Amino acid sequence: AQSVTQPDIHITVSEGASLELRCNYSYGATPYLFWYVQSPGQGLQLLLKYFSGDTLVQGIKGFEAEFKRSQSSFNLRKPSVHWSDAAEYFCAVGDAGNMLTFGGGTRLMVKP
Amino acid sequence: KAGVTQTPRYLIKTRGQQVTLSCSPISGHRSVSWYQQTPGQGLQFLFEYFSETQRNKGNFPGRFSGRQFSNSRSEMNVSTLELGDSALYLCATRLGAGRTDTQYFGPGTRLTVL
Repeated sequence: AQSVTQPDIHITVSEGASLELRCNYSYGATPYLFWYVQSPGQGLQLLLKYFSGDTLVQGIKGFEAEFKRSQSSFNLRKPSVHWSDAAEYFCAVGDAGNMLTFGGGTRLMVKP
Repeated sequence: KAGVTQTPRYLIKTRGQQVTLSCSPISGHRSVSWYQQTPGQGLQFLFEYFSETQRNKGNFPGRFSGRQFSNSRSEMNVSTLELGDSALYLCATRLGAGRTDTQYFGPGTRLTVL
């Protein structure tokens, strides 16, 4: 069965600083990988996705993620964080049956 | 284009009651999935419907059921509510059933069981 691990439950960064959120997955075949963001009281918004091809994926709001098969990782990055980026971030892997398995989430706080 | 709509947004029920939640997909989307989000268990897949047929089901008891109508709208029902059913229930819809079809989530229904 597939699984997703987000090792950092909470991360605090200063506004303007760079950000990297870690995601490790376990999946037997070619993974389909996603990053979603959830603001308080809201649903999930898709930031970016990886299906195949270029391992560096660009998303919305200036986010990018890099798929590294050898490390089973799909880390999310942003070069300069804005206060509005404070939210909870979820990494997910999609299986052949289209079910998404999510990591536990990383809550991002942004210091002014 | 309007997004995924879930009704009601908030619901309070007591143990033993049953509840029905509704999800209206983005226009043209034919696949609807349901997820439960709790602080303890995180986000867990409940089931997926496509063209009125259940395609996948997560590891939840039979008290959790769903259906999809011909207009792709979906409902999920939870019978004999337990305190542990308190959660945010999220609906996600996709254009088709292909693995590359992206899921778009609604705002969720917050269910509180007293």
